[in-house]
Amino acid sequence: AQSVTQLGSHVSVSEGALVLLRCNYSSSVPPYLFWYVQYPNQGLQLLLKYTSAATLVKGINGFEAEFKKSETSFHLTKPSAHMSDAAEYFCAVSDRGNQFYFGTGTSLTVIP
Amino acid sequence: DAGVIQSPRHEVTEMGQEVTLRCKPISGHNSLFWYRQTMMRGLELLIYFNNNVPIDDSGMPEDRFSAKMPNASFSTLKIQPSEPRDSAVYFCASSTERPGTDTQYFGPGTRLTVL
Repeated sequence: AQSVTQLGSHVSVSEGALVLLRCNYSSSVPPYLFWYVQYPNQGLQLLLKYTSAATLVKGINGFEAEFKKSETSFHLTKPSAHMSDAAEYFCAVSDRGNQFYFGTGTSLTVIP
Repeated sequence: DAGVIQSPRHEVTEMGQEVTLRCKPISGHNSLFWYRQTMMRGLELLIYFNNNVPIDDSGMPEDRFSAKMPNASFSTLKIQPSEPRDSAVYFCASSTERPGTDTQYFGPGTRLTVL
């Protein structure tokens, strides 16, 4: 069975500071992993995905995530937060079929 | 490409009325998903189709909910009769079936309010 745990439903960082959003997964098969971002009143937009190639994945808007099998983690990072990064972030795991399993989301606040 | 298209974007209705939400997936995608998002329950998968056939509807809350996909370019989610607890944002997403490219692309959502 597949599942995702996002630690911290709310994260606040200062503008220019490191962003770290945590995601741990459980999967009975080698997983595909995704990070999506949702801005207010909008749908989910793909940030990046891991599909068993390079373990360090770079996405849009300066975000990246590292797949660590030993830690069953796929944390999302960005070196320097921008005000426009304020949004809801969702981690998801795929069973390599068509089903996604989403985490409960992390709301990122950027403090000026 | 226009992306996933959903209509209406906002729907306000009264309890007991029928509500129909519509979705047009990305051309060439053969999987379609309906999700519901609420503050309390987060993102829930309601049902998904592959090649227009419903594969898993275990997330559909109850018999008041039904979904159809008559062709590859159109799907509906119907609630009859609607209840206040159905108020949520409903998202449609589509994807291709090819392994390694199964990213789901989401529409902008329909915000449903049942009074």
